[in-house]
Formats: sequence, C-alpha cells, structure tokens
Amino acid sequence: AQSVTQLGSHVSVSEGALVLLRCNYSSSVPPYLFWYVQYPNQGLQLLLKYTTGATLVKGINGFEAEFKKSETSFHLTKPSAHMSDAAEYFCAVRRALYNFNKFYFGSGTKLNVKP
Amino acid sequence: DGGITQSPKYLFRKEGQNVTLSCEQNLNHDAMYWYRQDPGQGLRLIYYSQIVNDFQKGDIAEGYSVSREKKESFPLTVTSAQKNPTAFYLCASSITAFNSNQPQHFGDGTRLSIL
Repeated sequence: AQSVTQLGSHVSVSEGALVLLRCNYSSSVPPYLFWYVQYPNQGLQLLLKYTTGATLVKGINGFEAEFKKSETSFHLTKPSAHMSDAAEYFCAVRRALYNFNKFYFGSGTKLNVKP
Repeated sequence: DGGITQSPKYLFRKEGQNVTLSCEQNLNHDAMYWYRQDPGQGLRLIYYSQIVNDFQKGDIAEGYSVSREKKESFPLTVTSAQKNPTAFYLCASSITAFNSNQPQHFGDGTRLSIL
C-alpha cells in the first residue's frame, strides 16, 4: 500500500531560521514526489516535484527538497524562513495504479514563523 | 490565465438537501479529481474522471455523485446520504490521468457547512 507520513503536524521557527519539514513515503517502486503549500481557505499550490534525475530539487520561494531512496524520504527545506512562509505544507506521492495516476497526500504540516 | 474555478466559495446545506459544487477548468486537462479535506487528515479522494463521460469512485465516494459531460466541467453533488458533509472540498486537474509525471493543479476550494 502507498502511504505518506509527515512528521510533526505543527512546526514553529523564528524568522530567518532554517525550515525543515519531514516527509517519508512507502513505495515498492520509484515514486514521483511532490510538495504543495496551502494558505488559509485556498487550494494547494505546487512548490516542487521529483520525478527522475537529480535528487536535489529546487522549487519556488527558495524551497528545496532532497529525494533519498535509501531513507524513503523527501524532506522540504528552506535556509531562511520568512513570515510569508507561514502556511500548511503537504507532501504527496504519485502511484501508477492500472496506468492511472493516483496521488496520496500526507496529513500536512502547519508552519508557524515567529518574528 | 488558465486555471481551475470552484464556486461557490462558501456553501450551506440544510438537512435532507442535495447541494452541487461547481468546478470548471480551462487548462485543457483530461483528468479531473474531487478531494475532501478535513483538519489533520490531508486530502481524501472522492471521485476522479480520466476522460469525458467517464468517472470512477475514489476512497470515500459514498454520499457523493459526479458527472463529466464536458471536458472542462466536473461538478460534485453532495447528497443527503452524506451524513457528515462539513469539510473543505478541493477540485483538481492534471494533463492526463495516465503514467504522467505531471502534478495536479488545484482550485481554491469550497467550504461546505451544515445549517
């Protein structure tokens, strides 16, 4: 079965500090992995994705994530948090099910940025 | 600009009433999806459609119905059989439903509450 685990439903950092949001997945085949951000009462916006190739992926707003197959992880990082980064972040994995793309989402991590 | 439009943004349902949530996309995407979002639970798949005039049940389809008569439209009806409809509903689309590394694009959601 496919699953995505996000460690920590709430993460709080100070402005300017490192942001680290954790995501682990279970998959029997190499996955396609995604990080999305959601602001209150809005839809999900794609931050970055890993499909194949370079395991360090850069996304929008200074975020990046590293695919580590041996650890089945795809953690999201940003060197310096900004107040505007306060939002909820979702990790997702795509699984091909009978050729159909099904997306599995983690339960989300709310990021709070303190001034 | 291309995107996904969900309406209304807020919706209230009376007991025993069916309500319909609208989802329209102008991205020329083949695949469309409906998700339900509850606090701390991530996104759960209600229905998906791979192509016009075709749709399939997702993980939590009971109490919901959909139609896909046009490529750009995928309305969701929350029926009176859905006993706990209060949630945030998200519509998404992707270029294709089959073996693609492309992400999903999301609308801004509809928040449904019971009166």
